[in-house]
Amino acid sequence: KAGVTQTPRYLIKTRGQQVTLSCSPISGHRSVSWYQQTPGQGLQFLFEYFSETQRNKGNFPGRFSGRQFSNSRSEMNVSTLELGDSALYLCASSVGPNQPQHFGDGTRLSIL
Amino acid sequence: QKEVEQDPGPLSVPEGAIVSLNCTYSNSAFQYFMWYRQYSRKGPELLMYTYSSGNKEDGRFTAQVDKSSKYISLFIRDSQPSDSATYLCAMRSSDNNDMRFGAGTRLTVKP
Repeated sequence: KAGVTQTPRYLIKTRGQQVTLSCSPISGHRSVSWYQQTPGQGLQFLFEYFSETQRNKGNFPGRFSGRQFSNSRSEMNVSTLELGDSALYLCASSVGPNQPQHFGDGTRLSIL
Repeated sequence: QKEVEQDPGPLSVPEGAIVSLNCTYSNSAFQYFMWYRQYSRKGPELLMYTYSSGNKEDGRFTAQVDKSSKYISLFIRDSQPSDSATYLCAMRSSDNNDMRFGAGTRLTVKP
């Protein structure tokens, strides 16, 4: 069974640009959550989607947004990139809300 | 004070040793407790998933939860060099899928 797939694996952008990251959950999983991982702050929750609806949102500015499609695939968008947005962005999927979450290998975003 | 506290280490042990990893937390609403293992350049891998207090064993791994003390532990028996990784504790409440993570403990098992 394929795991959580995130694309691209690596991305380099400059300040002010915007970026879209993609996540394909494990087959049969309908809940997708996004996290940001940095050396200083560790893993921080961004948002969670279930059945195309955002159920929960972490403490991040409105520049961070996401969506989920009818096939449970999810995208995350960051606009007006800042240097501090450099991080590993991780997607996790679960069968449903409040179920064990399984992570992909992340997209490493570097802002120049 | 952080919601979840975890000693970042690093922790270095000889092969075959018993490893003890710990986290403390402050939010009494946390009901679900997880341990993840993360290798370099990879995403976290779910090792243990427990609900409320008690022990859970899976092979060489044992997870313990003491809700009265707000303290959770992961024990690794007969540690192997392949166990060298960063171990993250995570927890959440019963009605919220927003997981809170510890900082991670970096473990090295030396042959």
